[in-house]
Amino acid sequence: NAGVTQTPKFRVLKTGQSMTLLCAQDMNHEYMYWYRQDPGMGLRLIHYSVGEGTTAKGEVPDGYNVSRLKKQNFLLGLESAAPSQTSVYFCASSKQEPAYGYTFGSGTRLTVV
Amino acid sequence: KNQVEQSPQSLIILEGKNCTLQCNYTVSPFSNLRWYKQDTGRGPVSLTIMTFSENTKSNGRYTATLDADTKQSSLHITASQLSDSASYICVSIERGGSYIPTFGRGTSLIVHP
Repeated sequence: NAGVTQTPKFRVLKTGQSMTLLCAQDMNHEYMYWYRQDPGMGLRLIHYSVGEGTTAKGEVPDGYNVSRLKKQNFLLGLESAAPSQTSVYFCASSKQEPAYGYTFGSGTRLTVV
Repeated sequence: KNQVEQSPQSLIILEGKNCTLQCNYTVSPFSNLRWYKQDTGRGPVSLTIMTFSENTKSNGRYTATLDADTKQSSLHITASQLSDSASYICVSIERGGSYIPTFGRGTSLIVHP
């Protein structure tokens, strides 16, 4: 099925470890986003990309890095995981038109111990 | 800072009843407003998208309204079903280069049989 695929779905990390979350979309969307969702809080934008080879910081970028080497993939990296990064991470993609909605992935639940 | 406030925070209704969820936003300049439904453990799914020139939009039993003058929106659910139990998220999009979204914290709706 067409859509946004996130891997892995679950992960437990030890403090200081690193990992990369992968987001892949097959809808040829220009825009891609990484969000985190914490209990009682709205989705918060970490980083986003408006096209292949571009990235930009969102609301909460500290501790994360991203890359978009191919249009269909958007990678989120944690270089040195901290317990404060325990969260559910969602990737989303969208066409360039402003009134076009997002398509979200099913999320990655990350626990840092 | 752009903000989106949703009320109530949570709501419990009986199956078959109607309900209305509220959203107030301060985003300016305004591009469009969206309502998403998020089932537990899943990514958000788009319900409606409205630009400033639209004041009502329906999607099945879901009807969203927008008052761009007062910066208020509502989502009305008619004849609720058990499957409507979810979090409903209001998102306002700022008009600009990258159309950055501002997410509300969501209203948690529980429909009891």
